[in-house]
Amino acid sequence: TQLLEQSPQFLSIQEGENLTVYCNSSSVFSSLQWYRQEPGEGPVLLVTVVTGGEVKKLKRLTFQFGDARKDSSLHITAAQPGDTGLYLCAGPNNAGNNRKLIWGLGTSLAVNP
Amino acid sequence: EAQVTQNPRYLITVTGKKLTVTCSQNMNHEYMSWYRQDPGLGLRQIYYSMNVEVTDKGDVPEGYKVSRKEKRNFPLILESPSPNQTSLYFCASSLGSGQGYNEQFFGPGTRLTVL
Repeated sequence: TQLLEQSPQFLSIQEGENLTVYCNSSSVFSSLQWYRQEPGEGPVLLVTVVTGGEVKKLKRLTFQFGDARKDSSLHITAAQPGDTGLYLCAGPNNAGNNRKLIWGLGTSLAVNP
Repeated sequence: EAQVTQNPRYLITVTGKKLTVTCSQNMNHEYMSWYRQDPGLGLRQIYYSMNVEVTDKGDVPEGYKVSRKEKRNFPLILESPSPNQTSLYFCASSLGSGQGYNEQFFGPGTRLTVL
């Protein structure tokens, strides 16, 4: 069974700090997506990583896909209160059914002013 | 504006009273799905649809029905709601069936309470 484990589950930091959250699996994924969900809203896609070792940057957010395509990380530089939200990773079911995404439980981030 | 809309946003009902949550997308997406989100359990897929008249069960389909008579609409039906269906529900759509690459667009959510 493919699982995506995200850590930490909760993170509360001060504005300006750096942080890294993780999305790990024992299974290989053909790609992984990161979504951010703000309170009271649906998740919104931040990035899709496809190639092992790939690094993508989105302003202060840096996403990395592990070389073996079993894990991914999200690093935020100089966090701001607007970064507060639930960060979810998701990947396709590789067991012959590409129609369903597997979701991690998320990292809930609070950035305090 | 490209979007997924859901109605109602909030609903309080009683056990056994049939209800429908509507979902509509204006992006001509083929793929639509319903999720429920519960603390500690994350997002769990209820049903999905690959296209008109094509639906299939997700991970937690018990107690729910769906239909896809038009490409843009994908209503979620609870024929006899029970308290364990109290949850936050999201409708999502994406361009096609390559889920690993296609962006999922989510609606704003429907918070359902069943008393």
